[in-house]
Amino acid sequence: EDQVTQSPEALRLQEGESSSLNCSYTVSGLRGLFWYRQDPGKGPEFLFTLYSAGEEKEKERLKATLTKKESFLHITAPKPEDSATYLCAVLDSGQNFVFGPGTRLSVLP
Amino acid sequence: DTAVSQTPKYLVTQMGNDKSIKCEQNLGHDTMYWYKQDSKKFLKIMFSYNNKELIINETVPNRFSPKSPDKAHLNLHINSLELGDSAVYFCASSHLDREQYFGPGTRLTVT
Repeated sequence: EDQVTQSPEALRLQEGESSSLNCSYTVSGLRGLFWYRQDPGKGPEFLFTLYSAGEEKEKERLKATLTKKESFLHITAPKPEDSATYLCAVLDSGQNFVFGPGTRLSVLP
Repeated sequence: DTAVSQTPKYLVTQMGNDKSIKCEQNLGHDTMYWYKQDSKKFLKIMFSYNNKELIINETVPNRFSPKSPDKAHLNLHINSLELGDSAVYFCASSHLDREQYFGPGTRLTVT
């Protein structure tokens, strides 16, 4: 059975303090790993898709990387508006999407 | 333009009632989904559907049923509502195997 775990569960950073979020997965035939951002009271918003180990994607202050067992979301010099829950999801060879529990990020001014 | 829309945004109802949540996407996607997000914020897939196949998560009670009148719509019908059905329900759409786009969610409260 596919499993996705995320750490830490919650993270508080000072504005400008860079850090990384982790997504570890076990999946039968990874077809894609997805990162989303979810703000309170809203639906998840797509950030990145990674398809193979070694792949990297960047968008503004965010950079996602992928290995065979985990993915990292690096946040460089975060701002308060980066505060949100970040969700990781995997798609397996059986067309099943499985989400992780998320990391709740708070960036303090 | 709203890509994935859901109605209603809030739904308060009593145990035993039957209710529906509507979902529409204007992205031209071929696959639509329903997710349940519980009080711990865990997103669990309930159904995925394209015009060829309905995939049901085996843990979903058969009181829940998706209905798709056309490729742009996937409605969720819930019979005999129970207290444990209270949650936020999200609709999503994608091209198969690609990233999903989510609606704003419907907060269902069963009293």
